[in-house]
Amino acid sequence: DVKVTQSSRYLVKRTGEKVFLECVQDMDHENMFWYRQDPGLGLRLIYFSYDVKMKEKGDIPEGYSVSREKKERFSLILESASTNQTSMYLCASGITGRGNQPQHFGDGTRLSIL
Amino acid sequence: AQSVAQPEDQVNVAEGNPLTVKCTYSVSGNPYLFWYVQYPNRGLQFLLKYITGDNLVKGSYGFEAEFNKSQTSFHLKKPSALVSDSALYFCAVRATQTGANNLFFGTGTRLTVIP
Repeated sequence: DVKVTQSSRYLVKRTGEKVFLECVQDMDHENMFWYRQDPGLGLRLIYFSYDVKMKEKGDIPEGYSVSREKKERFSLILESASTNQTSMYLCASGITGRGNQPQHFGDGTRLSIL
Repeated sequence: AQSVAQPEDQVNVAEGNPLTVKCTYSVSGNPYLFWYVQYPNRGLQFLLKYITGDNLVKGSYGFEAEFNKSQTSFHLKKPSALVSDSALYFCAVRATQTGANNLFFGTGTRLTVIP
């Protein structure tokens, strides 16, 4: 079974802090994704990566950056946390191909910015 | 542009009754379609997908979905609902000709099965 592990289930930080969310997958997937989930808005793609050191902006990249130094690890960085970044953050991974394969999700990190 | 609409925020159904969760999509060309389920405080779990072929797709936990190209719909169904099916359900789409592997998700439908 594919396992996508997010380092924290719950996180509380203060406004202005630099926040790191970590994600590790164990299936050698090329693609990794960061989403945020908000009630009534569904999942929105923040960034994705299709290879080590490669990254692409998603729909809502502002205020975020990412790092992928190793294939299995994809980090989301909030450069200066703000209250409107309080949300559930979901990491996913998937194989490269014709796009007909599902993504596999971690259990999420519920982040609160005070 | 790709998009997904889940017109119902909430669906309530009695245990043992059939359930339907609706999804319509918009893509250029042919779609790949997916259903995911999310239980409380968990990530999304893959249920089923439509790639090509039979319009009726069977998936995990007794769920199935019917692809209707003319109506651009991919409704999730189950003949007999269980209380344990209560969860948040997401439909997602990807255009087949796109080079990217990212999905576009609907806003989700909360299913409540009443004992």
